[in-house]
Amino acid sequence: AQSVTQLGSHVSVSEGALVLLRCNYSSSVPPYLFWYVQYPNQGLQLLLKYTSAATLVKGINGFEAEFKKSETSFHLTKPSAHMSDAAEYFCAVTTYGNNRLAFGKGNQVVVIP
Amino acid sequence: DTAVSQTPKYLVTQMGNDKSIKCEQNLGHDTMYWYKQDSKKFLKIMFSYNNKELIINETVPNRFSPKSPDKAHLNLHINSLELGDSAVYFCASSQDGTDYNSPLHFGNGTRLTVT
Repeated sequence: AQSVTQLGSHVSVSEGALVLLRCNYSSSVPPYLFWYVQYPNQGLQLLLKYTSAATLVKGINGFEAEFKKSETSFHLTKPSAHMSDAAEYFCAVTTYGNNRLAFGKGNQVVVIP
Repeated sequence: DTAVSQTPKYLVTQMGNDKSIKCEQNLGHDTMYWYKQDSKKFLKIMFSYNNKELIINETVPNRFSPKSPDKAHLNLHINSLELGDSAVYFCASSQDGTDYNSPLHFGNGTRLTVT
């Protein structure tokens, strides 16, 4: 079964600094990868997804992620953090024909003014 | 209009009680889900229905019973509530649960506290 690993449950970043959230996947077949964001007291929203097209994927709110097969990674970045980026971020994986989405444990992002 | 709405938002109840959570989606999606998010924010799928048919039934106690009266609604009934059931329960929907390209749309969650 496929899975994702997100290290470091809490990530602190200064306002204006680079946001980097790491996600490594495990899958025996080509994966499809997603990043979701959860703001306080809300459900998850899709940030971006990789589904075997371009390896560099741009999402909403200035986020992007790059699929690197050699590193089995799908790290999420944003060049300049904004206070509104404070939220929980989840990486998730599925595969073709699979009706299950496996989530990582999430990263709580704190933005320091 | 809220795309995926679930009620109630908060639910506080005592051990042994029976409670229900309701979910409705107005996106015209075919597939609906129940996820459980524990205190460490870990999300785990519980059930999934595609056009009112149960397609995912994870290892969940029999005390949890989903019901889908139509493809726009998916309710979750929990019998004999236990302390360990305390969590946030999320309803979600997707256009087609068998299509990997189909993202999930989540409700805002129901925070269940069992005392």
